[in-house]
Amino acid sequence: DAMVIQNPRYQVTQFGKPVTLSCSQTLNHNVMYWYQQKSSQAPKLLFHYYDKDFNNEADTPDNFQSRRPNTSFCFLDIRSPGLGDAAMYLCATTSAGGGPKETQYFGPGTRLLVL
Amino acid sequence: GQNIDQPTEMTATEGAIVQINCTYQTSGFNGLFWYQQHAGEAPTFLSYNVLDGLEEKGRFSSFLSRSKGYSYLLLKELQMKDSASYLCAVRDPAGTGGYNKLIFGAGTRLAVHP
Repeated sequence: DAMVIQNPRYQVTQFGKPVTLSCSQTLNHNVMYWYQQKSSQAPKLLFHYYDKDFNNEADTPDNFQSRRPNTSFCFLDIRSPGLGDAAMYLCATTSAGGGPKETQYFGPGTRLLVL
Repeated sequence: GQNIDQPTEMTATEGAIVQINCTYQTSGFNGLFWYQQHAGEAPTFLSYNVLDGLEEKGRFSSFLSRSKGYSYLLLKELQMKDSASYLCAVRDPAGTGGYNKLIFGAGTRLAVHP
């Protein structure tokens, strides 16, 4: 049973061509996160939502934007991808409340390649 | 600043025990997680500590000392399938709303040999 779904699993785009990555969840969690992970590096938090309240990390580039039209779906838009944006993009969800219940559940990720 | 340190790589033999250490310095602390990540896949939850001491879960155990900013993950009876990266992550309050965000270390790549 898929819980956090990311599409596509692999995305190839051209330098400067806008791209959108999608994430959906069947867990009815109120918190969603987008991470960027480059090879052999830590996942880096880009954005997080508590319901529709949007928060971006201070060092998230302006080139990255996000939308959450409803509880189940969240999108990551890269307006003008550069070669340095090639990475795995991970979506995660959690139910706010603290304790073990607030484990983050990750989707399988979308690997982005920029040509 | 936020700083989480783990060794980059470790190797071990099938059937052995391995301990992966993690030290952290973060502005906030609301628990520490260990995740397993196989190459090209998403991280999966292994363990969670919020109080000092040892948490045991089958072949995996995790220890936390908050005063020392230190945790370790202990893997027993190693199997070939345990070859993966192991990520240490500190849970930090994300501001208003009562929820948290995770700050990850870069991960320790463990290779298990026959």
